[in-house]
This record gives sequence, structure tokens and C-alpha cells, in this order.
Amino acid sequence: GAVVSQHPSRVICKSGTSVKIECRSLDFQATTMFWYRQFPKKSLMLMATSNEGSKATYEQGVEKDKFLINHASLTLSTLTVTSAHPEDSSFYICSARGTENTGELFFGEGSRLTVL
Amino acid sequence: QKEVEQDPGPLSVPEGAIVSLNCTYSNSAFQYFMWYRQYSRKGPELLMYTYSSGNKEDGRFTAQVDKSSKYISLFIRDSQPSDSATYLCAMSARGAGNMLTFGGGTRLMVKP
Repeated sequence: GAVVSQHPSRVICKSGTSVKIECRSLDFQATTMFWYRQFPKKSLMLMATSNEGSKATYEQGVEKDKFLINHASLTLSTLTVTSAHPEDSSFYICSARGTENTGELFFGEGSRLTVL
Repeated sequence: QKEVEQDPGPLSVPEGAIVSLNCTYSNSAFQYFMWYRQYSRKGPELLMYTYSSGNKEDGRFTAQVDKSSKYISLFIRDSQPSDSATYLCAMSARGAGNMLTFGGGTRLMVKP
């Protein structure tokens, strides 16, 4: 199956700093990528939809200035958590959909962010 | 009412048992149905993908979709301790940009 690589898998940062998380589709071109946040023992919460070459679409309640998303190519989307605070500590997961409109999504391994 | 309902569990079974995981949904526009397995601190892994009513089998896993009842199931035969994980159902509607709506996940524990 298709592979989505997410990096870094774990990151610890100080409050007030910014953190960038990368999501790459390794063997296919992803026109659309999705970013999720997952709290402990909870399901995935969609944060935003990232389309290559255009602005991301954010879900209600997600601050676009806080969570900057860039989808500069068909294989890479990045999520930058700006001015991170302890409440931003969470598990962030990306997924990618291929160019075929089948509905299948392939997930990255996730990135655990801890803000001190 | 949530669009997709899934019993959170935990569901504890002995090794070798048949496991039945279920989701119900309310949106009749959902056309594509998926089951994901998520181990602790890992990203979800796609297990099964179906888009029609009926059964689909892959090894020890069988996905069942009943669109008339808005009900989907995942059966695991001969369950193993390595099957212990959280199972998420997900579904999407045709033409909706393939946005997925997830169930809350069911935590499964298979005891040796």
C-alpha cells in the first residue's frame, strides 16, 4: 500500500517556540492531505484540509494563524505550530489521499508534541 | 447525535475468539467505509476498505456493510494478542472531497 512518512515522530519544545511537522507521500502524489489532532483515548479530530497549491481549509474552532499549513508540492505538506503552549501538546497525524478519487486515505505515523 | 457511533469498549476477549466490532451511522450519503487499526502512540493503519453492501474478506478480517440498516461490522477470526489495539471505523460520502468521518474507536484487548 501507499506510504506516508511523518517527521519528527517526537518533539519537545519550550513554550513560545514554533515547531514544524512534515508529512510526505513517498510513492504517490497526494493532491489532498489532512491534518488531525488526537487527544489521549479520543478519536481523531480533523484540523484542516491541505490542497496542493492553494490555501488550507480549516475546521471550525481551529486557529489558522496558530496552525500554519503549507502544501507546496504533491508529496509534501507541513504543519507549523506557532508560539506553542502546553495546551498544544498532543498527537498530530497527517493523512494523504492519492490522485485517484477512491476515498482511501493513508496515514502517517504521527508526531507527538510536548510543549514544556 | 453523532454521525457515526461506535462503542468505545474496552472489549476483552480470550485468544482465539471471534471478535465483532460495529459502527452505526446516520448519514445515508456515506458510500465508502473503512476500518483502521491504531496501536498506542502510532498512526492509524488501514485494514479494510469497502464501498458496497455485503462482505469483504481479507485473511482473518471480514468487513460487513449493511447500507439499509446503516450498520457496518469488522469481524476478526482467531484473534491474537497482537490484535490488541484501538479499531476505528470511518466513512465518507461520494463527492464530498472524501472527507472522513470517524467513529470514536473501540479498544480491543486479546488476552493470551
